[in-house]
Amino acid sequence: AQSVAQPEDQVNVAEGNPLTVKCTYSVSGNPYLFWYVQYPNRGLQFLLKYITGDNLVKGSYGFEAEFNKSQTSFHLKKPSALVSDSALYFCAVRDEETGGFKTIFGAGTRLFVKA
Amino acid sequence: GAGVSQTPSNKVTEKGKYVELRCDPISGHTALYWYRQSLGQGPEFLIYFQGTGAADDSGLPNDRFFAVRPEGSVSTLKIQRTERGDSAVYLCASSSPTGTSGGVSTDTQYFGPGTRLTVL
Repeated sequence: AQSVAQPEDQVNVAEGNPLTVKCTYSVSGNPYLFWYVQYPNRGLQFLLKYITGDNLVKGSYGFEAEFNKSQTSFHLKKPSALVSDSALYFCAVRDEETGGFKTIFGAGTRLFVKA
Repeated sequence: GAGVSQTPSNKVTEKGKYVELRCDPISGHTALYWYRQSLGQGPEFLIYFQGTGAADDSGLPNDRFFAVRPEGSVSTLKIQRTERGDSAVYLCASSSPTGTSGGVSTDTQYFGPGTRLTVL
């Protein structure tokens, strides 16, 4: 069955330092991968997606993610963290076995950026 | 432009009651999704509409849950005989078709703020 794992419940980083939020996936077909961010009392906001092509995907707010097929990972990164990046981050996957439209989300990783 | 809106933002009901949750998608978006997010969890897929029809309702947990989208725009999620375990944030998302790749939608889903349902 398709699944997404976000192994860290929480990530702490100092402002100005690089950040990484980890995601691994398990699908039977080709994965289509997404990152969303959730701020308190707000809906999920799309950050970026990988469909095909370049393994390094650039998204909103300076975030990027690298698709690694051999490691089945899609880690979210940012070179220099801001306090305002503190939020809940979700990785998600879609593939043809889920019907092509159904999206499976991870449990989320809470990012704290300290000033 | 206006994003996805959901009403009410909060709903408190008693066990056994019937509730309706409404979603207004982004204008022109033909695809609409419902998810349920329990505390400390990621969104869990419930149902997907393409136009007026439910293309995939495999995530609905049981027959107490039902959703409609009669005119291909606004959707209503209906829960009968609510149980305490139904308490969660119900999220709606919409998307505009961008095609498929290998049978998988490449759409980006845009989410509403959610309805927090509390069943006492």
